[in-house]
Amino acid sequence: GQNIDQPTEMTATEGAIVQINCTYQTSGFNGLFWYQQHAGEAPTFLSYNVLDGLEEKGRFSSFLSRSKGYSYLLLKELQMKDSASYLCAVRDRGGYQKVTFGTGTKLQVIP
Amino acid sequence: EAGVVQSPRYKIIEKKQPVAFWCNPISGHNTLYWYRQNLGQGPELLIRYENEEAVDDSQLPKDRFSAERLKGVDSTLKIQPAELGDSAVYLCASSTRTGLTDTIYFGEGSWLTVV
Repeated sequence: GQNIDQPTEMTATEGAIVQINCTYQTSGFNGLFWYQQHAGEAPTFLSYNVLDGLEEKGRFSSFLSRSKGYSYLLLKELQMKDSASYLCAVRDRGGYQKVTFGTGTKLQVIP
Repeated sequence: EAGVVQSPRYKIIEKKQPVAFWCNPISGHNTLYWYRQNLGQGPELLIRYENEEAVDDSQLPKDRFSAERLKGVDSTLKIQPAELGDSAVYLCASSTRTGLTDTIYFGEGSWLTVV
């Protein structure tokens, strides 16, 4: 089974940097996803990490440490449109390679 | 390229009534998923198909939920009879393996309210 933990809510200021953490416990790790979900909309893919280190994609970066069971999503130069929920999801190594989602972190960007 | 298409977008039904949701995945994606998402929660997998075969339905409440994916393309998810606790967003998603992973792409969801 898998256990994924991320903060429920965060608030940050427009133009600032925010880091959203995700810790996980899994019997067999095979990759970690970050998704963005605006209220009333479907989740959209942001990043995928399977190896340790930082993956940068524009204003968004994602970091993974497999030994610590830890990832973070870093959002730079925050914009009001970044207000959304951010979902951490872990793929396991079992036959089905099941992807399990965390409960999400609701980020509010304020002026 | 068209994304994952779902219908209906919204449905309100009385408890004990049946309801069905339809999904058309992204063309060429042989993996199809049905997730359920409650307010303030992450999506929970109900069933996963590889082509026509349901490879993971361990979380599907089989007493009232059923799903099918005939011909390995479109899929339907049915609830009969619906209960108040079934009110949620039902998300269909699809993926295909590219390189190290297969990114999951979601449809806009079918919002179900059971009254």
